[in-house]
Amino acid sequence: AQSVTQLDSHVSVSEGTPVLLRCNYSSSYSPSLFWYVQHPNKGLQLLLKYTSAATLVKGINGFEAEFKKSETSFHLTKPSAHMSDAAEYFCVVSDNGSSNTGKLIFGQGTTLQVKP
Amino acid sequence: DADVTQTPRNRITKTGKRIMLECSQTKGHDRMYWYRQDPGLGLRLIYYSFDVKDINKGEISDGYSVSRQAQAKFSLSLESAIPNQTALYFCATSEGTGKYFGPGTRLTVT
Repeated sequence: AQSVTQLDSHVSVSEGTPVLLRCNYSSSYSPSLFWYVQHPNKGLQLLLKYTSAATLVKGINGFEAEFKKSETSFHLTKPSAHMSDAAEYFCVVSDNGSSNTGKLIFGQGTTLQVKP
Repeated sequence: DADVTQTPRNRITKTGKRIMLECSQTKGHDRMYWYRQDPGLGLRLIYYSFDVKDINKGEISDGYSVSRQAQAKFSLSLESAIPNQTALYFCATSEGTGKYFGPGTRLTVT
């Protein structure tokens, strides 16, 4: 079975400082991993995805994530936070097993607060 | 125009009423999904469909039903709404590893 755990429900940073949102996954298969962002009262936007190519994945708005198989982690980072980054972030794993349903399994979400 | 649209965007209904949420897509994808979002729980899968004749239950299908009227349309119904079905509902489509979400429908059951 696949699962994903976001280690922090809430992260607070100051504008201009680095962002780290942590995610660990469990998968019996080579996973596809995603980070989505949801701004208040908005839908879900794909930030980036890992699909077994390069382990360091660059996404939109300066975000990137590194797939570390030995640590079963897929942490999201950004060198310098901007006020507009305040939102909820979801780490997601896709079912790539024998059934290959394409179902997405979501983490519980991490709320990022950016202080001026 | 948006690739995945949902109607209505907001709905308030009473306990016991039947309600239908609709989803349409212009991506030409075969796979479509319905999720609900609750605070602190992320998104959970309700139903998914691989094509018009292939409908599957997700992890929380009780109290819901779906209809895949065409490749482009996938509707979610609550036969008799109850307050704990108050949530934000998302439709999604996919082809390969690409996933596209609709804007969401905020449903409140009083």
